[in-house]
Amino acid sequence: GAGVSQSPSNKVTEKGKDVELRCDPISGHTALYWYRQSLGQGLEFLIYFQGNSAPDKSGLPSDRFSAERTGGSVSTLTIQRTQQEDSAVYLCASSLQSGTSGRHEQYFGPGTRLTVT
Amino acid sequence: QKEVEQDPGPLSVPEGAIVSLNCTYSNSAFQYFMWYRQYSRKGPELLMYTYSSGNKEDGRFTAQVDKSSKYISLFIRDSQPSDSATYLCAMSGIVGGTSYGKLTFGQGTILTVHP
Repeated sequence: GAGVSQSPSNKVTEKGKDVELRCDPISGHTALYWYRQSLGQGLEFLIYFQGNSAPDKSGLPSDRFSAERTGGSVSTLTIQRTQQEDSAVYLCASSLQSGTSGRHEQYFGPGTRLTVT
Repeated sequence: QKEVEQDPGPLSVPEGAIVSLNCTYSNSAFQYFMWYRQYSRKGPELLMYTYSSGNKEDGRFTAQVDKSSKYISLFIRDSQPSDSATYLCAMSGIVGGTSYGKLTFGQGTILTVHP
């Protein structure tokens, strides 16, 4: 079956512009996660969705970052007024199980490579 | 100090060798342990998933978890050039009775298997 898909695969933007990154999870997966991968910081958690709600936003680095999920499916990560330090690969993952069950096999998409010039 | 420590390598081995990768961690709440493989410019691919202490084998891959030592390992037998990738350990835990599945990753180990 289809895996997690993300778009765009690459995005180059000028400092100060807003960007939107999209994630389509595996069909039927109720949990969705955003992570960021950069050379200096490795892979870091940003936000977790269960359905359309986000019980854990603890990894969002600043109020310039926001995310939403609609219909329990597609999610959009928005970065406002982008800065050069936002340059990274943004990865989305989805999982079948909810948080209360404990099992969290997460399957990742290919990522969006964001470059802020 | 990071919650999860992983030697970034790089690690270079000849084809057919047994590869040992490992991570240490400090948070005793971690109960779920994973290994991901990531090829260049691709997303991480789940290789192994284990719960609590013990061993798990899948083909050429064996994952070990020793919670008493806060140490996890991944062994690759009969390594192949196609195994050349970055290997990431990841873990999640239960806090306050709830596990949201937030993964904490090691830095990743770069592995090259040469013919």
